[in-house]
Amino acid sequence: KAGVTQTPRYLIKTRGQQVTLSCSPISGHRSVSWYQQTPGQGLQFLFEYFSETQRNKGNFPGRFSGRQFSNSRSEMNVSTLELGDSALYLCASSLDGGRGSSNEQFFGPGTRLTVL
Amino acid sequence: AQSVTQPDIHITVSEGASLELRCNYSYGATPYLFWYVQSPGQGLQLLLKYFSGDTLVQGIKGFEAEFKRSQSSFNLRKPSVHWSDAAEYFCAVGAGWDKLTFGTGTQLKVEL
Repeated sequence: KAGVTQTPRYLIKTRGQQVTLSCSPISGHRSVSWYQQTPGQGLQFLFEYFSETQRNKGNFPGRFSGRQFSNSRSEMNVSTLELGDSALYLCASSLDGGRGSSNEQFFGPGTRLTVL
Repeated sequence: AQSVTQPDIHITVSEGASLELRCNYSYGATPYLFWYVQSPGQGLQLLLKYFSGDTLVQGIKGFEAEFKRSQSSFNLRKPSVHWSDAAEYFCAVGAGWDKLTFGTGTQLKVEL
């Protein structure tokens, strides 16, 4: 079955713009998590969505938001882009994000966002 | 607050040599522990996980890790490294599969 897909793979924006990234989870998966990866801060959890509801949230400003649709696809939006938002944004999906070996989380290849 | 420390930023080993990547964690309850690998331009691939039970866990590609509660460690090992193992390795901790806290990663270089 197809893995987690993220679009676009690469994106260049300028400061002050906004951007929307998309994540399509593995078929049947209802939990989608987003992570930001930067050389300075490493991998940081942004938020997790389950059944169209944000269930967990990391420590990021309100400029970072997301949503999940009824087909479990998720989008994340960053408004008023700053240079420091340049990063690899990874999404991951699992059946329901909980515990248990059957709930393995699979990562997508990421979207590389460059802010100029 | 939970945290993960990977003290080695870069490690270089010769092909065929053994490997140990260190990971120390801080977590209030019984943690879920993970090791992921990331090749350039790729997402993360799960190598192995520890939830409970046997403290020595086997993973893919010949990797294993040992959970030592007394030392708050979850070190990754491989008896004989292959050139294709060159990548960045991340240790992570969480209450489940989601909302993971990752270490800063260890970049592995393999010399032929």
